[in-house]
Amino acid sequence: GAVVSQHPSWVICKSGTSVKIECRSLDFQATTMFWYRQFPKQSLMLMATSNEGSKATYEQGVEKDKFLINHASLTLSTLTVTSAHPEDSSFYICSASRAGDQDEQFFGPGTRLTVL
Amino acid sequence: ILNVEQSPQSLHVQEGDSTNFTCSFPSSNFYALHWYRWETAKSPEALFVMTLNGDEKKKGRISATLNTKEGYSYLYIKGSQPEDSATYLCACTTSGTYKYIFGTGTRLKVLA
Repeated sequence: GAVVSQHPSWVICKSGTSVKIECRSLDFQATTMFWYRQFPKQSLMLMATSNEGSKATYEQGVEKDKFLINHASLTLSTLTVTSAHPEDSSFYICSASRAGDQDEQFFGPGTRLTVL
Repeated sequence: ILNVEQSPQSLHVQEGDSTNFTCSFPSSNFYALHWYRWETAKSPEALFVMTLNGDEKKKGRISATLNTKEGYSYLYIKGSQPEDSATYLCACTTSGTYKYIFGTGTRLKVLA
């Protein structure tokens, strides 16, 4: 149990376009979902936390208008990178936690974004 | 800012060798320490969640210890196998928040 999927696993896009990444909890209801990114040789850095039906809470330095997060259901959260630029190229990974157990996070396999 | 550090960054061991790596974290306001095993192109897999000082947990050939007073955790692998090859991540949470602060990971390669 506690499986999280992400789609797509990799994407290449042109500068200026928008890219949407989906994160789904397959066998549990995820009241909270988290979005991280990882640049080469760095650690996973939390970008934002989203609770189902609420606006996401963004970490300091993360532009909420650039990284749009939607958590409209208990099994799906999406991250849209708007007007992507080469410096947004990174590895994006989501995680989800269950109701009543927010301290345990289950991770998706991640999405490699390359912006040309 | 909470800083979690892992060492070494990477290591190669021979099949059958035992190995260990370290996760260091600030001890103030500590709540929990998480260890994950992350294979390429897969989801990080939770190994252990540890909260109590002196805690020791075991899962097959893998075990972990926790020292919250001095701010470190060790992960041990006994009799390494090629299938143990992965990146091992630790993450720390502090009191009052569910946010994970990750280390950069230790990349283990077990040579057959």
